[in-house]
Formats: sequence, structure tokens, C-alpha cells
Amino acid sequence: DQQVKQNSPSLSVQEGRISILNCDYTNSMFDYFLWYKKYPAEGPTFLISISSIKDKNEDGRFTVFLNKSAKHLSLHIVPSQPGDSAVYFCAASDAGGYQKVTFGTGTKLQVIP
Amino acid sequence: DVKVTQSSRYLVKRTGEKVFLECVQDMDHENMFWYRQDPGLGLRLIYFSYDVKMKEKGDIPEGYSVSREKKERFSLILESASTNQTSMYLCASSSNYGTGTQPQHFGDGTRLSIL
Repeated sequence: DQQVKQNSPSLSVQEGRISILNCDYTNSMFDYFLWYKKYPAEGPTFLISISSIKDKNEDGRFTVFLNKSAKHLSLHIVPSQPGDSAVYFCAASDAGGYQKVTFGTGTKLQVIP
Repeated sequence: DVKVTQSSRYLVKRTGEKVFLECVQDMDHENMFWYRQDPGLGLRLIYFSYDVKMKEKGDIPEGYSVSREKKERFSLILESASTNQTSMYLCASSSNYGTGTQPQHFGDGTRLSIL
């Protein structure tokens, strides 16, 4: 069963506008969430994370929001740039998991110039 | 900067062969992971290791084994390769130190084709 779900396989956004990528999870034991970005022919790279004790974390153009009651998180990119075009993976972990994370299926973002 | 190096970018093998995928990290990380990435399925954890000679099964360990004899090196072994193991394989490492779950650092992947 997919414990971390990214229901939108793809998203297209105009340059300069906001990109919103969504992620839902089912395991209530998850307490830490991360976003990774992946370009073709490269490994994923870490983008931003959030602990379950927070509901928002911001780093430059990237903000992650966490709604624990809805078991939902989202990544906002403002303003979107063509270089942001990549596949974005949401990941979640629980405190007892040896630093193990569960990844979502990914959302391919295309930022149109 | 953390570097995770996977021994091959592309590999073609035949069914029934024993296949070794090697991964080396240079940051003295305690944890190492092997994933496979398939279209529509995201990254799925095959095995991970939290210390030398220690290993834990991930979500899809069947048909695979691993070896971690040295801290910096984590090998994935396909005991008898099958066509359904054709995939992109990604290795990652992470530290135990810091607040919360530490980011994993990935290699660039090995695209393995089993014919």
C-alpha cells in the first residue's frame, strides 16, 4: 500500500507564477517530511524538510506547509523558474525508523518560459 | 560536498546472471540505502544498512541481497537476474547527526537492463 501519495503525476506552470505540489500520507507515525528534486540522469537532491511540530518551513523561493490533521503537505515554489522543471518527490519518516524514509511517486513539474 | 559514486551508469546483463552494483560514499555516513526507480512507482527501498555488516530489508527485497563490509561501501547483489529487475537503481547515504531525519545524498544511478 502506498503510504505516501502524490496524486498529480505532472504539473505545468508559467514562469513567474506559483507552483504548488501536493502530497498526502496515511501513516500517522510519520513525523518528518522532506522534498527532493530530481533532474533526468541525476540522483535526487534534497530541497527542504519539515518536522511535524511545525506547520510551515521556508527557504528562499521554497515553502513547505504541513497539515497534520489532514495528513497533507504541499510545496510552494514562488516565483517558478524554468530551472525548476524537474520531478519532485515527497518523502516521510518516523522517529524509530533508522533514518529510513518512504517516498511518494513523484510529480513532474514543467515551468514554461 | 558529499559524493556518492555508483560504479556504472549503464549496465546490460543476461537473465540468470549474478549482478553486482557498487556504491561508495566519501562522507563517513552511517546509513546507506538502495532504491529502484520505476515509472509511476517512485523510489522504492530495497535494502538499507545503518552500520557496517548490518542490513535491513526495505519494501521490495525479494531477489536482492546486500553487503556492507566497509563503512563507505554498500553493494547490491542480484542473485539471479530476471527481466523484471530491469530498472534504474539509486544508492544513497545519510548521517545520524542533526535534528530530525537527515537528508539522503544520492548517486546518479545505474540504469540496469536485463535481457
